[in-house]
Amino acid sequence: DADVTQTPRNRITKTGKRIMLECSQTKGHDRMYWYRQDPGLGLRLIYYSFDVKDINKGEISDGYSVSRQAQAKFSLSLESAIPNQTALYFCATSEGTSKAFFGQGTRLTVV
Amino acid sequence: QQQVKQSPQSLIVQKGGISIINCAYENTAFDYFPWYQQFPGKGPALLIAIRPDVSEKKEGRFTISFNKSAKQFSLHIMDSQPGDSATYFCAASEETSGSRLTFGEGTQLTVNP
Repeated sequence: DADVTQTPRNRITKTGKRIMLECSQTKGHDRMYWYRQDPGLGLRLIYYSFDVKDINKGEISDGYSVSRQAQAKFSLSLESAIPNQTALYFCATSEGTSKAFFGQGTRLTVV
Repeated sequence: QQQVKQSPQSLIVQKGGISIINCAYENTAFDYFPWYQQFPGKGPALLIAIRPDVSEKKEGRFTISFNKSAKQFSLHIMDSQPGDSATYFCAASEETSGSRLTFGEGTQLTVNP
């Protein structure tokens, strides 16, 4: 089983719809992250959480919100999806300043 | 603005050749420089990382060269193999930010047989 699991793996949604992407981890790490990957732009940080009571905006948080339901669960929501939010989304975890572990990604298409 | 700039965007090498990917950063507070490897349909996975107290780190066929004064670092893949074909990302972070990574744009490497 994967250490960092993202659901769904693929999703097509319509403009204006609310959608939630979920991430769960079995690594026991305190720190969790949501990144967005676009061709030619690399990965950009959306939100991050260093523990259950800590939520921080990243580089591109506008149009997104997150919830840290437990140490192992971190979800990303698009309140009203728009086409330019079509991208590959990755959840990641880390322990302190050690390496980050990424999930397999969610491919989101907004039509 | 892109705080970590990566080049080239794509790279084609022959089996057995040397692949070189370069990155430059702006933030002098960065003190951790990892390289990630990503295969299609997978998440990025840490390949090798360096801290600025050394100028080079080698792990098998993979070497990071680091030039603190120039604010540049590079990945060298020796004896490149078709199985190395993937997208490579450089990244940087500050110790105090944990793994709040700033990524380069990515390089798609193709190693021809």
